[in-house]
Amino acid sequence: AQSVTQLGSHVSVSEGALVLLRCNYSSSVPPYLFWYVQYPNQGLQLLLKYTSAATLVKGINGFEAEFKKSETSFHLTKPSAHMSDAAEYFCAVVFSGGYNKLIFGAGTRLAVHP
Amino acid sequence: ETGVTQSPTHLIKTRGQQVTLRCSSQSGHNTVSWYQQALGQGPQFIFQYYREEENGRGNFPPRFSGLQFPNYSSELNVNALELDDSALYLCASNKNQETQYFGPGTRLLVL
Repeated sequence: AQSVTQLGSHVSVSEGALVLLRCNYSSSVPPYLFWYVQYPNQGLQLLLKYTSAATLVKGINGFEAEFKKSETSFHLTKPSAHMSDAAEYFCAVVFSGGYNKLIFGAGTRLAVHP
Repeated sequence: ETGVTQSPTHLIKTRGQQVTLRCSSQSGHNTVSWYQQALGQGPQFIFQYYREEENGRGNFPPRFSGLQFPNYSSELNVNALELDDSALYLCASNKNQETQYFGPGTRLLVL
């Protein structure tokens, strides 16, 4: 079955530290991949997307993600965490062969400590 | 350019009642998708509308139904509400197969 797995429901980092949020998908055909961020009591905001162009994708707020086909991964990173990065992060996938349906991971809550 | 808007922002209903949620798509978008996000979980796809026709459906019962209007706005209707229907309902719009952009959501509480 096509699915998305986010390792770690909670990640805690210090301000200025590296942020690494993990996402793996299950599919033999590379899908379209997305990272969305959700701040408390808000909807989802697109951070970045991979659509079969460059494997290293740069997004907003200093985030980037690298698509690795051999590892079926699309991990999200940011070199230096800021307090304002504290939020819930969702990896999402659109698998080929159908309509534009997003399948989401369970989410990772990022906490940033001073 | 106006983004995706949803109304109402919050809603409280009792079991067995019916509810209608509304979504206005972003300008130029012709596709609307609805998602249910239960507390502490990722959004789950309910269905999608493209040019006023249902274009795909997730694993939700028929009491979840929808409409899309000629201006591409959309409604989500849920009949015979159950306690487990309590969730944040998100609407997303896009043009054809392009990236989906989300509204702020409607938080539904069923008592």
